[in-house]
Amino acid sequence: AQRVTQPEKLLSVFKGAPVELKCNYSYSGSPELFWYVQYSRQRLQLLLRHISRESIKGFTADLNKGETSFHLKKPFAQEEDSAMYYCALKRSGNTPLVFGKGTRLSVIA
Amino acid sequence: GAVVSQHPSRVICKSGTSVKIECRSLDFQATTMFWYRQFPKQSLMLMATSNEGSKATYEQGVEKDKFLINHASLTLSTLTVTSAHPEDSSFYICSATRPGQGTYNEQFFGPGTRLTVL
Repeated sequence: AQRVTQPEKLLSVFKGAPVELKCNYSYSGSPELFWYVQYSRQRLQLLLRHISRESIKGFTADLNKGETSFHLKKPFAQEEDSAMYYCALKRSGNTPLVFGKGTRLSVIA
Repeated sequence: GAVVSQHPSRVICKSGTSVKIECRSLDFQATTMFWYRQFPKQSLMLMATSNEGSKATYEQGVEKDKFLINHASLTLSTLTVTSAHPEDSSFYICSATRPGQGTYNEQFFGPGTRLTVL
């Protein structure tokens, strides 16, 4: 079975401080990992996926298969980063996403 | 970018009535759409996978006779909550996959529909 764990419900950091949102997964095959973000009163949108290995809005995430983790990081948090962040996993192909419970990031000025 | 719409955005109904929620991909054809349910302060839980022209695949614990899904075209999937009860009150979100390069099909999410059953 596929499972995604986000241990923190809420993470508060000061503006300019580093941010790390934790995500661990369990899946016996080769998963595709994603981070989705939901800003206040907006729909869920893709932030980044592990395959592309890109940095979006200063965020990066590295897939660590040994630790089965896909933590989201940003060196300097901005107020506009305040949002709900969901880590998600899917099998290859046209398959649904399995979401973690989400972490609310609050960046304090 | 790809856009997915849902209608209505909010609906309030009496217990025992049926409610239909539409999910449309506005600028692409989606062979597959997914329906999720989200309770307050909880994560999205997959309800069913909707494939155009075939029967939906429901997740374990989701009653197919209560949550009727119809994917009649490549741009429209509907979820009908039949004989709704207060415990069906929730936020229903659909997503549609847009075929991409290689094996990656990105999912685009609708804005969600807030259902309140009195």
